Amino acid sequence: AQSVTQPDIHITVSEGASLELRCNYSYGATPYLFWYVQSPGQGLQLLLKYFSGDTLVQGIKGFEAEFKRSQSSFNLRKPSVHWSDAAEYFCAVGSGNTGKLIFGQGTTLQVKP
Amino acid sequence: GAVVSQHPSWVICKSGTSVKIECRSLDFQATTMFWYRQFPKQSLMLMATSNEGSKATYEQGVEKDKFLINHASLTLSTLTVTSAHPEDSSFYICSARDPRGFDSPLHFGNGTRLTVT
Repeated sequence: AQSVTQPDIHITVSEGASLELRCNYSYGATPYLFWYVQSPGQGLQLLLKYFSGDTLVQGIKGFEAEFKRSQSSFNLRKPSVHWSDAAEYFCAVGSGNTGKLIFGQGTTLQVKP
Repeated sequence: GAVVSQHPSWVICKSGTSVKIECRSLDFQATTMFWYRQFPKQSLMLMATSNEGSKATYEQGVEKDKFLINHASLTLSTLTVTSAHPEDSSFYICSARDPRGFDSPLHFGNGTRLTVT
């Protein structure tokens, strides 16, 4: 069965510290992988996506993610977190590029001053 | 700016009434839109795929008679929660695929907070 797991429900980091949010997926074929960010009461904004090619993907707001097929992972990273990065982060896997997405449980990021 | 508009952003209704939520693609034509439901502090669950000019495709476990989806035009899909009950209270989000561009990006609306009293 297709699934996405985000092991960390809640993460707190200090402003300026580095960040890594974990994402593991279970998928039968080559996955289309996404990271979205959601501010309270808002919709989702795409941070980055991986379809094929270079396994290190650069996104907006200084985020990057690395696709590791051997580990079935697509972890999100940022070298230096800003207070405005506090939000809910969702990893998602798609069937090709159909638009149907399976989302992970989400990780709440809190940033300490 | 937003390319997918969702209306209303929040709505409170009484138990037993019906509520309609609109999802519009603002500057592109979307033959396919998607409706998700998000419970508090939880992930998004795909409810259905809305296809312009044809019936929606519902995910397993979603009551199609309760959650009516209409995609009458290439820029508008509506979700109607019929005979709403408190357990239908949730955050509903739509998304639409933009056919322009090589990878047909998916755009999400800002969601609708439904509270049934």
